[in-house]
Amino acid sequence: NAGVTQTPKFQVLKTGQSMTLQCAQDMNHEYMSWYRQDPGMGLRLIHYSVGAGITDQGEVPNGYNVSRSTTEDFPLRLLSAAPSQTSVYFCASSYIGASSYNSPLHFGNGTRLTVT
Amino acid sequence: AQSVTQPDIHITVSEGASLELRCNYSYGATPYLFWYVQSPGQGLQLLLKYFSGDTLVQGIKGFEAEFKRSQSSFNLRKPSVHWSDAAEYFCAVAAYNNDMRFGAGTRLTVKP
Repeated sequence: NAGVTQTPKFQVLKTGQSMTLQCAQDMNHEYMSWYRQDPGMGLRLIHYSVGAGITDQGEVPNGYNVSRSTTEDFPLRLLSAAPSQTSVYFCASSYIGASSYNSPLHFGNGTRLTVT
Repeated sequence: AQSVTQPDIHITVSEGASLELRCNYSYGATPYLFWYVQSPGQGLQLLLKYFSGDTLVQGIKGFEAEFKRSQSSFNLRKPSVHWSDAAEYFCAVAAYNNDMRFGAGTRLTVKP
């Protein structure tokens, strides 16, 4: 039972480069989300999805794109990386959503991204 | 939008001592409240949650939290801390639309 799998674990980019952070879950969860974690700021919601084909913006969506073509995968794309996007990124999923009592969020182990 | 404040950035307690981590939230409706724990290099793990009903909720690893609407607080407690409890703790509040907001976190150090 793999849970939520994030790849890569570490990544270094130059300013202006693009990349995709991968997130996959094998629990048949409908809800998936991306957070960034910065020192002193906790986790901030970037984008989330309540099912295949449906995405919505969170607290800090600028500079990031997402799509949800399958239930299992929820990739996060940085089209033109900036130093301000240096952070640790977490993907999380749940059966129904963050507001559901019986469906807690399951987190991946994170991707540490550095943009120089 | 909803928000969470964790006033204490870092707390140090001795092993066996009691622990209370503070959390204050801001939300116009009935909040869904959570405490998560993060060990170094790991993702977050749910400790406990409050949606409605009994204001004292029990979680895993011997933790409990009390919801106080009048104080907009949801403080986490443990009667006797173990060295393995050293980690970072996050309080979170979720709105009905699945928008979950986290506090900045409190790092717990446990002295032997």
